[in-house]
Amino acid sequence: DVKVTQSSRYLVKRTGEKVFLECVQDMDHENMFWYRQDPGLGLRLIYFSYDVKMKEKGDIPEGYSVSREKKERFSLILESASTNQTSMYLCASSSGQSNGYTFGSGTRLTVV
Amino acid sequence: AQSVTQPDIHITVSEGASLELRCNYSYGATPYLFWYVQSPGQGLQLLLKYFSGDTLVQGIKGFEAEFKRSQSSFNLRKPSVHWSDAAEYFCAVGGNTDKLIFGTGTRLQVFP
Repeated sequence: DVKVTQSSRYLVKRTGEKVFLECVQDMDHENMFWYRQDPGLGLRLIYFSYDVKMKEKGDIPEGYSVSREKKERFSLILESASTNQTSMYLCASSSGQSNGYTFGSGTRLTVV
Repeated sequence: AQSVTQPDIHITVSEGASLELRCNYSYGATPYLFWYVQSPGQGLQLLLKYFSGDTLVQGIKGFEAEFKRSQSSFNLRKPSVHWSDAAEYFCAVGGNTDKLIFGTGTRLQVFP
């Protein structure tokens, strides 16, 4: 069964820490995405990537960066975690616009 | 601007009743339209998609949706709801890029 795997289901980090969220897909998809999900706000796009070493800002990139050194792996980095980054983070991958996304199970991050 | 509106934040139905979840979109080009379902604590799973052809599309778990261009709508329906359908449902629109825009979701509660 094809998968998008997020390394952690739950994380608790302290304010100011550097946080890495990892996402790996085994479908050889070109496109990968990071969203955050908050109640009443739906899913908001943070960053996306259409190829290795390529990245594009989404709608809310401030406070985040990404890394895509290999096709299957797309990492989200919180340079200095803040309490307003407490959220559910969802990774997704896609092989093209007509196919939709395959999502990981999400990482619920709490910053204290 | 491109957008997706799900006007119902929360819907409650009795098991066995019919269901319709509303979705309206604003998109400048020919849209690709999707419905996803999210069970508590999980990622999103694709229910169905539309990008061309028959405007009534069938999906998994007995769901269907109808694309109505004149109304800019893509409503999700199910003739008889099961308790296991309780979840959050997201409508999404995409097009000539692979980026999807998501609605804010509708939470479905099912009473026995």
